Amino acid sequence: DVKVTQSSRYLVKRTGEKVFLECVQDMDHENMFWYRQDPGLGLRLIYFSYDVKMKEKGDIPEGYSVSREKKERFSLILESASTNQTSMYLCASSSHASGGYTFGSGTRLTVV
Amino acid sequence: AQSVAQPEDQVNVAEGNPLTVKCTYSVSGNPYLFWYVQYPNRGLQFLLKYITGDNLVKGSYGFEAEFNKSQTSFHLKKPSALVSDSALYFCAVRQSPMLTFGGGTRLMVKP
Repeated sequence: DVKVTQSSRYLVKRTGEKVFLECVQDMDHENMFWYRQDPGLGLRLIYFSYDVKMKEKGDIPEGYSVSREKKERFSLILESASTNQTSMYLCASSSHASGGYTFGSGTRLTVV
Repeated sequence: AQSVAQPEDQVNVAEGNPLTVKCTYSVSGNPYLFWYVQYPNRGLQFLLKYITGDNLVKGSYGFEAEFNKSQTSFHLKKPSALVSDSALYFCAVRQSPMLTFGGGTRLMVKP
């Protein structure tokens, strides 16, 4: 069964901490994405990557960075976590051919 | 820019009745359209997609969607709703390589 795996389902971090959210896919997909989901705001794209070491800003990149050193792994980094980054974070991947996403189960991050 | 709109925040339907979740789109060129479902505290799951061909697309769990080019709509339908269909539904349009999502519609199916 093809998968996108997010390393944590629930995470609690303190304000100011550096936070790493990891996402791994086993489908050899070229594209990977990070979204955050908040009530009333839907899904908002933070960053995406269409190839190893390539990254593009999405709609809300401020306060975040990403890393894609290997094709299967796409990491989201919160350089200095703040309470307004409390959210559900969703990772997804897709191939150039199919275009549809496969999503991970999500990480619910709480910053206190 | 391409966009999708889901005009209803919530749809309520009785179990056994037909359901429709609405989606309209705005694209340049031919649209690639998708429906996803999200259960509580989970990621989104693919239901179905329209690329080309038949205007009626069949997907997972008995869902189908009707593509209507003249009305720029892609409504999700099911002939007989189940309580277990209660979830959050998202329509999306491909703006390669990204998908742009609608705001989501919460479907509540009552016994």
